[in-house]
Amino acid sequence: AQSVSQHNHHVILSEAASLELGCNYSYGGTVNLFWYVQYPGQHLQLLLKYFSGDPLVKGIKGFEAEFIKSKFSFNLRKPSVQWSDTAEYFCAVLNSGYSTLTFGKGTMLLVSP
Amino acid sequence: SQTIHQWPATLVQPVGSPLSLECTVEGTSNPNLYWYRQAAGRGLQLLFYSVGIGQISSEVPQNLSASRPQDRQFILSSKKLLLSDSGFYLCAWKSGSNTEAFFGQGTRLTVV
Repeated sequence: AQSVSQHNHHVILSEAASLELGCNYSYGGTVNLFWYVQYPGQHLQLLLKYFSGDPLVKGIKGFEAEFIKSKFSFNLRKPSVQWSDTAEYFCAVLNSGYSTLTFGKGTMLLVSP
Repeated sequence: SQTIHQWPATLVQPVGSPLSLECTVEGTSNPNLYWYRQAAGRGLQLLFYSVGIGQISSEVPQNLSASRPQDRQFILSSKKLLLSDSGFYLCAWKSGSNTEAFFGQGTRLTVV
C-alpha cells in the first residue's frame, strides 16, 4: 500500500513569510498527487492536483506545488502567506486503480498577523 | 453541479447505542463513495469505499459497517458504539476515473 509522509505537524509563520510544506510518497509508479486544505469550520477542499505534464502545478490562492519524481516529493509552496491561510493542509496520493486516496497526517498552519 | 450532503453535523451518543450516518450525492451517477475518519495528528483514515450498489470494501477492521442501498447513498453504521468510535467522520465521492475526491461537511461524533 502507498503511504504519504508530511514532515511538519505544526507550522507557525508570520504574515508575508514564505511557506513550504513537505510531502513524500512511497509509490514508485505513475502517481496522481493532491493537496487539500481544511479551513477552520469548513469542509475539506482541493487546493491543487498533479496528474501529468508540467511538474510545477499552480493552485488556488497563490499556492503551487512541485512534483519531483526522483525525490518522491510533492511539496507545497506559497511565496507570501496571509492570515487567511491558517488551516490544516493534507497531501494525498491516488492509489493504483484510481479508486482510493491515501492521505498524509496533515500539517496545521497558523499564520499570525 | 454535483453536491454531497452528510448528516447530522454533530451527534452525541451513549456507549452501546446504534449509529447511522447518512451521505448522499446529487448531480452524478455511479460515483465511488468513501467514509473517512479524521483524528487530530493522524490525518484521514479510509474506513470504507464503494464502487457500486451493494459493493463495500473495508480498509480497517472495526466496530463499524457501511452499506450502499442506492447508487448515491452511503451509510455508516454501528450496532453498538464504543468510546473509541468518537471522531470526525467524512463522506466523499469521486468519479470512476482518475480525478480528485469531493468531501462532505463531516459529522462530529462523540460517544459518551
